Amino acid sequence: QSALTQPASVSGSPGQSITISCTGTNSDVGASFDYVSWYQHHPGEGPKLLIYNVKHRPPGVSYRFSGSRSGNTASLTISGLQAEDEADYFCNSYTSSATFVFGTGTKVTVL
Amino acid sequence: QITLKESGPPLVKPTQTLTLTCTFSGFSLKSRGEAVGWIRQPPGQALEWLALIFWDDDTRYGPSLKNRLTITKDASKNQVVLTMASVDPVDTGTYYCGHRDNLNYFDFWGQGTVVTVSS
Repeated sequence: QSALTQPASVSGSPGQSITISCTGTNSDVGASFDYVSWYQHHPGEGPKLLIYNVKHRPPGVSYRFSGSRSGNTASLTISGLQAEDEADYFCNSYTSSATFVFGTGTKVTVL
Repeated sequence: QITLKESGPPLVKPTQTLTLTCTFSGFSLKSRGEAVGWIRQPPGQALEWLALIFWDDDTRYGPSLKNRLTITKDASKNQVVLTMASVDPVDTGTYYCGHRDNLNYFDFWGQGTVVTVSS
């Protein structure tokens, strides 16, 4: 079971939009169940859930975060980029083997 | 409000067994559908899912470490314990526990506990 593939880094200026991809297989990201989630991780803290079931935001998460999926690739878009968005971002998927797999992680830098 | 907190030794010697405890509140592992998982992050690397235990004692393990891991629970104490046998310096990292929602995502996490494997 290999980690899901994410770009190592993505950067953008304040106010811009950026998109982070998460590529897996038809046994995880592309599977018929919609169990893809995204997490924001600041050093020294526990990860924070941003998106669940591909595109749903939990209460309290900014509308600037949105999720989508096409085939075996899920995406997280951050619109109106802010300095506080600078962090590591990880995707996660449930798998057809009833396990979980995380992505390789993406460091977002706000220029 | 769900909270989780990890605890364990900060330093473990190679070949020893690591025991980590997750103490939680705000839900019960006696309740149908509830589950708690362990996730780790080596320094500078990605998150890695390790194990999950359900309210009915069903367990799941990540394929790369399943032969070295055991996850158990004490629902009366609101605790989940992860043991890792034969630790190696590559097991150094921050270990997190998380509450798994029924829709298979981790909605609440602990702050993590740092473990160093070194002689």
